[in-house]
Amino acid sequence: QSALTQPPSASGSPGQTVSISCTGTDGDVGGHDYVSWYQQHPGKAPKLIIFAVNKRPSGVPDRFSGSKSGNTASLTVSGLQTEDEADYYCSSYAGWNVGVFGTGTKVTVL
Amino acid sequence: VQVVETGGGLIQPGGSLRLSCAASGFSVSNNYMNWVRQAPGKGLEWVSIMYPGGDTYYTDSARGRFTISRDKTKNTVYLQMNSLRADDTATYYCARDLGARDVDVWGKGTTVTVSS
Repeated sequence: QSALTQPPSASGSPGQTVSISCTGTDGDVGGHDYVSWYQQHPGKAPKLIIFAVNKRPSGVPDRFSGSKSGNTASLTVSGLQTEDEADYYCSSYAGWNVGVFGTGTKVTVL
Repeated sequence: VQVVETGGGLIQPGGSLRLSCAASGFSVSNNYMNWVRQAPGKGLEWVSIMYPGGDTYYTDSARGRFTISRDKTKNTVYLQMNSLRADDTATYYCARDLGARDVDVWGKGTTVTVSS
C-alpha cells in the first residue's frame, strides 16, 4: 500500500484558516467514505479529530472540519490557535486490509 | 477505555521480540485491534490488524515476519516480531479502530530499537 500524499507543511497566523489536502487512489480515498484525520503533538500519541470524512469525535472543536472530492480529502482548521501547531495525518480505509496513512503535514502557527 | 503497550527494548538484528497491549474498558475480541508504528522523525505506518472474527492482515514489510494475536482471557493483543531489521526501529502503538481504520483509542507506545 502506498502512503497517501499530503503537503509537508502548512502555516497560518492565529485566527486564520489552514487547509491540508490528502490525495489517494480509487482503492482508498476515492473508493470509500472512510477518511480520518489525526493530530499529533511532539512526543505524544496521535489523536483522532475527524472520522468518516467529516465527523468529529466528542470533544473535538468545530474549528476542525473535513471534506472529500474524488481521490482527495481535505482537513480545514478555522480560527487557528497556537495549540493547533502539530503534525496532522490523514488515513483511509482500503478494504479488507490494513489502513493507509498520509505522509503527514506539519502545521505551524506563525 | 485505554490500552497500554509493553515489551519494547533494544534487540539485535535478526532477533525476536513480543509486544503486548493490555486493554481496559472494552474487549479486544469484539474490536478491530491494530499495531501502528512510527520510526524516529517519520510518519505513521500501519503494521497489522486483527478483526473481531480473527482475520489478520499485515503491511508488506511485516508479512511473514510479524504475527498479531490476542488472548481473550487476558484481554490482551500481542505482536510477535521475528527476524527484526534496523528499519523496524520505531515506536509501536497499539490502537483500536471503529471498523473503518478510524482509530479512536491509542496507547502511549513502546519503543523498539534494532541495533547491534
